[in-house]
Amino acid sequence: AQKITQTQPGMFVQEKEAVTLDCTYDTSDPSYGLFWYKQPSSGEMIFLIYQGSYDQQNATEGRYSLNFQKARKSANLVISASQLGDSAMYFCAMREGNGFQKLVFGTGTRLLVSP
Amino acid sequence: DAGVIQSPRHEVTEMGQEVTLRCKPISGHNSLFWYRQTMMRGLELLIYFNNNVPIDDSGMPEDRFSAKMPNASFSTLKIQPSEPRDSAVYFCATEVGQSGTDTQYFGPGTRLTVL
Repeated sequence: AQKITQTQPGMFVQEKEAVTLDCTYDTSDPSYGLFWYKQPSSGEMIFLIYQGSYDQQNATEGRYSLNFQKARKSANLVISASQLGDSAMYFCAMREGNGFQKLVFGTGTRLLVSP
Repeated sequence: DAGVIQSPRHEVTEMGQEVTLRCKPISGHNSLFWYRQTMMRGLELLIYFNNNVPIDDSGMPEDRFSAKMPNASFSTLKIQPSEPRDSAVYFCATEVGQSGTDTQYFGPGTRLTVL
């Protein structure tokens, strides 16, 4: 079963606007972590933001915030004030439990920011 | 601080040749992961080391693939003999420990083309 679902293959946003990239997950483990990575056209995978299942507040890192809705099992990434350099693939990932579990990635969303 | 270092960044080889990919983890990171990324299959975990010991190699596709971590500062992924279907981007990622909350940091990747 797919544990991480990103339903938006592509998203378009105009520069300076905010955009939300969707991510839903499936787990029965009460302890898990959610991660977002950015992959620009140059290919590297860049860590953006982390949310733990027990965290009370939504994670924020600069222009990135995570809209964590535990009951809905969603962990959407919000990018505020989009910039041209935000154009990239964005991957949501989850790791369950404590100790080693695989980091499971979604299929990604390609974001294109236009001037 | 230096991030995860991978070499070479690009490799073009002919079918049947041996290919060796190299990774230097972030200093102090005890866990190292090798991933493969293709359009068809996305990101796949190939093998994982903890404290230089291979823990899970269930993702290694065939016996043609082997990985070693002789010390905490170096790991290799070898393909012998290489085949065109091995063409992909290979990422090395490292993290501090074995906690579900640890963040994996990726190297820039090696783009492998097997002709």
